[in-house]
Amino acid sequence: SAVISQKPSRDICQRGTSLTIQCQVDSQVTMMFWYRQQPGQSLTLIATANQGSEATYESGFVIDKFPISRPNLTFSTLTVSNMSPEDSSIYLCSAWGDPTSPEQYFGPGTRLTVT
Amino acid sequence: KQEVTQIPAALSVPEGENLVLNCSFTDSAIYNLQWFRQDPGKGLTSLLLIQSSQREQTSGRLNASLDKSSGRSTLYIAASQPGDSATYLCAVETGANSKLTFGKGITLSVRP
Repeated sequence: SAVISQKPSRDICQRGTSLTIQCQVDSQVTMMFWYRQQPGQSLTLIATANQGSEATYESGFVIDKFPISRPNLTFSTLTVSNMSPEDSSIYLCSAWGDPTSPEQYFGPGTRLTVT
Repeated sequence: KQEVTQIPAALSVPEGENLVLNCSFTDSAIYNLQWFRQDPGKGLTSLLLIQSSQREQTSGRLNASLDKSSGRSTLYIAASQPGDSATYLCAVETGANSKLTFGKGITLSVRP
């Protein structure tokens, strides 16, 4: 199994600012993912972070709003840009990398509040 | 488009009861189904994964079954304990990109 850490664990930000969330995996993984969990809702995939290429975004999410980096096989960042109160959510990073198992592992999440 | 439904949204049971959590999905062409647990303010913990060719998986007091043709899965929790109180999420993987589609979860409360 993979152990995933995220920083920060929580933050309170002002409208119009940006926040970068870091995700670190304790082993090399093929695929990393970023999810958003809005209050009272389930998880929605934002994008798949690909090492060495641009992220693949899901419908409704764009690179200008959620730029993602994946500089190596153990690390990724998600930036939430020009934030508004509607961006208040938990942002979770997940990873898959064991070719013998399709199981995905999740980080503890970053709880973001935008005022 | 794959949709995952979990009903009811919340469940409260007395300690010691055996219980079943249900999950349904609209597109039966899945690669696998995964059950997660989420504690308040925390991330997700993987409980069980059932691959599309499997019918069930067991781990301790947990047993998950999969009926792909009918688009259903159940998570059975035996002899529930207060420590089982959490939100239980069901997610299915469809497509070759390992994308997971989640249900909204069932918030379980086990009363001492």
